[in-house]
Amino acid sequence: DAGVIQSPRHEVTEMGQEVTLRCKPISGHDYLFWYRQTMMRGLELLIYFNNNVPIDDSGMPEDRFSAKMPNASFSTLKIQPSEPRDSAVYFCASSTRVTGANVLTFGAGSRLTVL
Amino acid sequence: AQSVTQLDSHVSVSEGTPVLLRCNYSSSYSPSLFWYVQHPNKGLQLLLKYTSAATLVKGINGFEAEFKKSETSFHLTKPSAHMSDAAEYFCVVSDRSGFKTIFGAGTRLFVKA
Repeated sequence: DAGVIQSPRHEVTEMGQEVTLRCKPISGHDYLFWYRQTMMRGLELLIYFNNNVPIDDSGMPEDRFSAKMPNASFSTLKIQPSEPRDSAVYFCASSTRVTGANVLTFGAGSRLTVL
Repeated sequence: AQSVTQLDSHVSVSEGTPVLLRCNYSSSYSPSLFWYVQHPNKGLQLLLKYTSAATLVKGINGFEAEFKKSETSFHLTKPSAHMSDAAEYFCVVSDRSGFKTIFGAGTRLFVKA
C-alpha cells in the first residue's frame, strides 16, 4: 500500500483565494482525520470521519473551513477565503477499527502558505 | 477531560548515550497512550502504543515506554541514541471514544556526534 497520499505537498496562495487540500486514505481504513500543525498551536485535530460521515468537527476553526468525504478513498479540506493565519502544515491520517481506530497512519502533509 | 504534558521542549544527548523523553498524562479513566515521531518535513509515524496490557511497551527502533499509573507518566526511553533518532517526538492520549487523539506539544531531540 502506498500509504496516505496528500496533495499538493506545497501550496502558496494569496489572501482571499480558495484552497483545496486532498487526501487519499489507506484502502480499507474507515476513519479519516484532518490535523493542522503550527509552531504556535502544535498539532490540532480539525475534523474526523467514520465511514465517510463527519463525526466531530469541533476543531474546525471557523466557517471558512469545510471538509468533505464523498467516498471511502477521497477527502478534501477547503478554505475559502484563505487568510495569512491559515498558513500551516495540514496532515491527513487514516485508521481502521481492526488494528485500533486511534492508531493513525499519517500522510506527508500539505504545507500551505497564504501571503 | 484528557491531556498530556511533555515536560521538555528540547532534549540534547550525545550519540550512544541513553534517551529519556518525559510525558505526564491526565485522564479520568484508563487511557490509551502513544508516542509518535516526526522527522523533519515528514509525516508522523507511530513508535508505540499502550492499551492496558503490559505496562512496559516496546516500539520500533529500540524505543520503549513504561506506563506508571501512580505517577501518571508514560516516559519514552532508548538505551543508546543514534544520529537518526534526531526528530520531534509527540506523546498522545486518546479520549474515551478511542477515536479522538490529543497531542502533546512535542519534544525535539537533538543527537550530538
